[in-house]
Amino acid sequence: GAGVSQSPRYKVAKRGQDVALRCDPISGHVSLFWYQQALGQGPEFLTYFQNEAQLDKSGLPSDRFFAERPEGSVSTLKIQRTQQEDSAVYLCASSSPPGSPLHFGNGTRLTVT
Amino acid sequence: AQSVTQLGSHVSVSEGALVLLRCNYSSSVPPYLFWYVQYPNQGLQLLLKYTSAATLVKGINGFEAEFKKSETSFHLTKPSAHMSDAAEYFCAVSETGTASKLTFGTGTRLQVTL
Repeated sequence: GAGVSQSPRYKVAKRGQDVALRCDPISGHVSLFWYQQALGQGPEFLTYFQNEAQLDKSGLPSDRFFAERPEGSVSTLKIQRTQQEDSAVYLCASSSPPGSPLHFGNGTRLTVT
Repeated sequence: AQSVTQLGSHVSVSEGALVLLRCNYSSSVPPYLFWYVQYPNQGLQLLLKYTSAATLVKGINGFEAEFKKSETSFHLTKPSAHMSDAAEYFCAVSETGTASKLTFGTGTRLQVTL
C-alpha cells in the first residue's frame, strides 16, 4: 500500500477486556515496530519484528501485551485484560531495508474506561 | 543508556520568525539523531537525521539541525516560520544506527501566530 495502515483508528474498551490492534505495513517492508505514545509524551518502543521473527520485545510493559507477525507482513498487537494505564496511542512503523528511516502509521488511540 | 531532553514543551513564534527547538542527547556511543514531526491525529514523519556524515543536516520543509558534540546538542532550526509548521516535534536518538529502537524526547509543541 501507499503507507502504513492501522486499524481501528479509535478503540474504547472496558477495563478487563481484550483488544487487538492491527498494522498493515508498507508492502515489502521487512522491519516492523510497535510504539506506545501516552498523552503528552513521546513514543516508547514496544517491540520489533524482522519478517516474522520477533527480534526484540524488551519494551512490552507486561505479559498482558503480545505481538505477532505470523507471515511477515500484517502484525497484530494484543492486549489482554486491559487496564486504564494502557490508554495511549499505539503506533506502528515499518522500514526496509533494515536500518532505513521508519514510516509511521496514524496510530490507534486506545481508551480504557 | 541513551536519552534525549527537549527543552520547552511549548514554543510560540510569529510567522516569518526564526524557529529554534532544542534537543540535548545522552549516549555512551556516537549517536544517530533524528527529528520527527507529528501533526494532529497523525503518525510521525521524519524531518531529518544525523548519521555522522556531516554535522549540519538539512531536512524537509526548510528545517535543518546542527550536531554539536561539545554541547551534546542537536537543535532544530528554520529561518522563517510558516503557519503550516505548527505541530509537535520530537527529537530521537538511536545508538545502533538502525533506527529500530529509537528513544524519543517528550516533544515540543510549536505554535505559529500571525
